[in-house]
Amino acid sequence: ETGVTQSPTHLIKTRGQQVTLRCSSQSGHNTVSWYQQALGQGPQFIFQYYREEENGRGNFPPRFSGLQFPNYSSELNVNALELDDSALYLCASSGISGTGGREQYFGPGTRLTVT
Amino acid sequence: SQQGEEDPQALSIQEGENATMNCSYKTSINNLQWYRQNSGRGLVHLILIRSNEREKHSGRLRVTLDTSKKSSSLLITASRAADTASYFCATDEGAAGNKLTFGGGTRVLVKP
Repeated sequence: ETGVTQSPTHLIKTRGQQVTLRCSSQSGHNTVSWYQQALGQGPQFIFQYYREEENGRGNFPPRFSGLQFPNYSSELNVNALELDDSALYLCASSGISGTGGREQYFGPGTRLTVT
Repeated sequence: SQQGEEDPQALSIQEGENATMNCSYKTSINNLQWYRQNSGRGLVHLILIRSNEREKHSGRLRVTLDTSKKSSSLLITASRAADTASYFCATDEGAAGNKLTFGGGTRVLVKP
């Protein structure tokens, strides 16, 4: 167990809807990263938050947005859901941003299915 | 897009045998990390090797890094059924934050 929790575990949404996924980081960690993992593939970086500000973004459209709160927990919001958004969404926390060289601690993920 | 490519994509071995998987990447890195994932659950960090290191050990795991060839290998010795999982390499290029770029993974099946 990494101490990183995510909710909900599973979610089914309809194309065009909006979804919010939540993540609580490991105690003492101020950086949260979000990844999307399609079936049979490796995770792809969506974005990272450090001290409540976005600190790096992958190749995802603006309808993927996020927030980080003062307690370092985080939300991932996806608007106008598409079928291809069906995936496992992973949250990872780490201790220090900007220095590199830190392992990330992953939560169990949220499985999103878009129909 | 994915930075790394793991080889092989799948591996089936008997309990007690060694499992070796390789990872190649394309750009300069700050470090390379290996993760394990069981049945579509969260990833578990296994080992981190920095760009100035060549080999690292952790229990039954041995990781090598060859930055001149932009490649890494993960060896699991004396495998157990519990080692059945997908294994991913991930590179940290040292850019803002510590974004990880993952390969496609190697699916390892250890038969009892």
